[in-house]
Amino acid sequence: DIQMTQSPSTLSASVGDRVTITCRASQTISSWLAWYQQKPGKAPQLLIYKASTLQSGVPSRFSGSESGTEFTLTINSLQPDDSATYFCQQYSSDWTFGPGTKVEVK
Amino acid sequence: QVQLQESGPGLVKPSETLSLTCTVSGGSMSSYFWGWIRQPPGRGLEWIAWIYDSGRTKYNSSLMSRVTISRDTSKNQFSLKLISVTAADTAVYYCGRHTYGIGLVYWGQGTLVTVSP
Repeated sequence: DIQMTQSPSTLSASVGDRVTITCRASQTISSWLAWYQQKPGKAPQLLIYKASTLQSGVPSRFSGSESGTEFTLTINSLQPDDSATYFCQQYSSDWTFGPGTKVEVK
Repeated sequence: QVQLQESGPGLVKPSETLSLTCTVSGGSMSSYFWGWIRQPPGRGLEWIAWIYDSGRTKYNSSLMSRVTISRDTSKNQFSLKLISVTAADTAVYYCGRHTYGIGLVYWGQGTLVTVSP
């Protein structure tokens, strides 16, 4: 089974900051990686798929990149509405989610 | 607009069977993966199972001995059965539609299932 790790587990940043979240896969998954945003009491929402493609309707301050088995979600110019937990998911072989990163906007 | 809605008991006794149904509206069940994902309170997401258009199924290896996913395309529904539940199965259960190459674009709102005597 493919395992996913994420770092950091929590982060706190100010409005306007640039933040990055890293996700690592235990083996190659090509670019079959998605990022989701989840707010309390709500279902996750897809932000990015195939590692770097922005889902329709998602603000352009969100971006994704990859390098081998390491994937990064970047939020440029952090906004108060970005307070949420972010999960990565591989869908190369079945599905596996990362443990999540909680982002607090100061 | 595609919508998914989970339904089923919110309370299940230990050792009994958890049964949930996801009703799909606003779109066909063809050509997609339909899955169940759960989230214990305050914790992360865990994939449980998916079923494809063809009827092919896959299960999380840690749960596969207890889980069955099925579908009824005539009713635009798919279902989850989890046997021999324990308190560790207490979670919000989500159903979702996965588009090949993209991910889980559509999710249900989630339903909390508590396992307790």
